[in-house]
Amino acid sequence: AQTVTQSQPEMSVQEAETVTLSCTYDTSENNYYLFWYKQPPSRQMILVIRQEAYKQQNATENRFSVNFQKAAKSFSLKISDSQLGDTAMYFCAFMKHGNDFNKFYFGSGTKLNVKP
Amino acid sequence: DSGVTQTPKHLITATGQRVTLRCSPRSGDLSVYWYQQSLDQGLQFLIQYYNGEERAKGNILERFSAQQFPDLHSELNLSSLELGDSALYFCASSVGTSGYSYNEQFFGPGTRLTVL
Repeated sequence: AQTVTQSQPEMSVQEAETVTLSCTYDTSENNYYLFWYKQPPSRQMILVIRQEAYKQQNATENRFSVNFQKAAKSFSLKISDSQLGDTAMYFCAFMKHGNDFNKFYFGSGTKLNVKP
Repeated sequence: DSGVTQTPKHLITATGQRVTLRCSPRSGDLSVYWYQQSLDQGLQFLIQYYNGEERAKGNILERFSAQQFPDLHSELNLSSLELGDSALYFCASSVGTSGYSYNEQFFGPGTRLTVL
């Protein structure tokens, strides 16, 4: 079974600074996908960034980037130039590639507070 | 707006009652997923349907059931409700036309269930 671990229940960062959220996962699969979702106070789940395991290049979406270390099974999210609107719960998710029809495994989340 | 709709937005009911939550996936998406998020918790995967058929089951209680109809909308039925069933219930959808393709999940706004 796949497991996803987010070891930081809560983090704080000053506006305009950079913060990194950690995520590790356990799997015996070689092909899979990884995601970061954001859940602001509105509780809506919003996709932030995604990474295909077969790609060595780290994914980047504007101020959001990942550090994907396949051998270490680590998938951290870096938020640059933090903004107040980044305050949210962040969930790391794993999806197997193959016949599992896109079943997601979520971590327990990291609550990020961006302070003015 | 993800394109996934859920009704009702809020539901308040009493213990022992039965409720039905409804989800309409994005146009063209064949897979529907149900998740439960209790207060300050991560997302627990309940069940997945693909084109009308059950495909994956997670930690879904026997008191809960779901189905996906020919028009691809899905319903989650919760019966003999208990206080602990109070949670935010999310529906998500993905294209899911092939288990071998990358498919992110798009989340609806959720239904907040309160059991008194």
